[in-house]
Amino acid sequence: DTGVSQNPRHKITKRGQNVTFRCDPISEHNRLYWYRQTLGQGPEFLTYFQNEAQLEKSRLLSDRFSAERPKGSFSTLEIQRTEQGDSAMYLCASSSTGTGIEQPQHFGDGTRLSIL
Amino acid sequence: AQTVTQSQPEMSVQEAETVTLSCTYDTSESDYYLFWYKQPPSRQMILVIRQEAYKQQNATENRFSVNFQKAAKSFSLKISDSQLGDAAMYFCAYTGANSKLTFGKGITLSVRP
Repeated sequence: DTGVSQNPRHKITKRGQNVTFRCDPISEHNRLYWYRQTLGQGPEFLTYFQNEAQLEKSRLLSDRFSAERPKGSFSTLEIQRTEQGDSAMYLCASSSTGTGIEQPQHFGDGTRLSIL
Repeated sequence: AQTVTQSQPEMSVQEAETVTLSCTYDTSESDYYLFWYKQPPSRQMILVIRQEAYKQQNATENRFSVNFQKAAKSFSLKISDSQLGDAAMYFCAYTGANSKLTFGKGITLSVRP
């Protein structure tokens, strides 16, 4: 179990640029989640995948945000035309679907995005 | 919509003492799960303990235990024999049928040596 891996750990970019983050879940986990956490707050749900299917998207996820999970393995989160308000920690989590029991989500270290 | 409320922003405890962190939630679902996560400064979010709503027995994990009051929609975390390594931000979280986690705002716990 190598854990959930997120890259890069930090990203600094100018307003208006596009950024892409990557998440590699725990290998046997079929569910993958993205959350956003601003300073001093709890994480907020953005979207999640079961295998390659994106099952739910939050209203927080504007049309500048897109997430993919090709082949049901790693996932990418892209933000186009970044804005100051996008500055946050982006967390990825993964879990497995248990037999009638909700399995806990395991989190990565996150990618901290700073918009200049 | 489900909500999770952590009304205490900060707490402090003396090393080796016991501390209780409060959490309340609101939901119309009957089947759900509750969690406490720990987030040390600049480090990964770690699951501390979880509780299935259908279980009456309170969950325990070593020095960590919960007091789950389903009717009151209350889910507090008790940390016994507090250690310096327990200092972190603690989040209460809920998940129901849609599998996504809803978090409270968190509480910062400091441990005094």
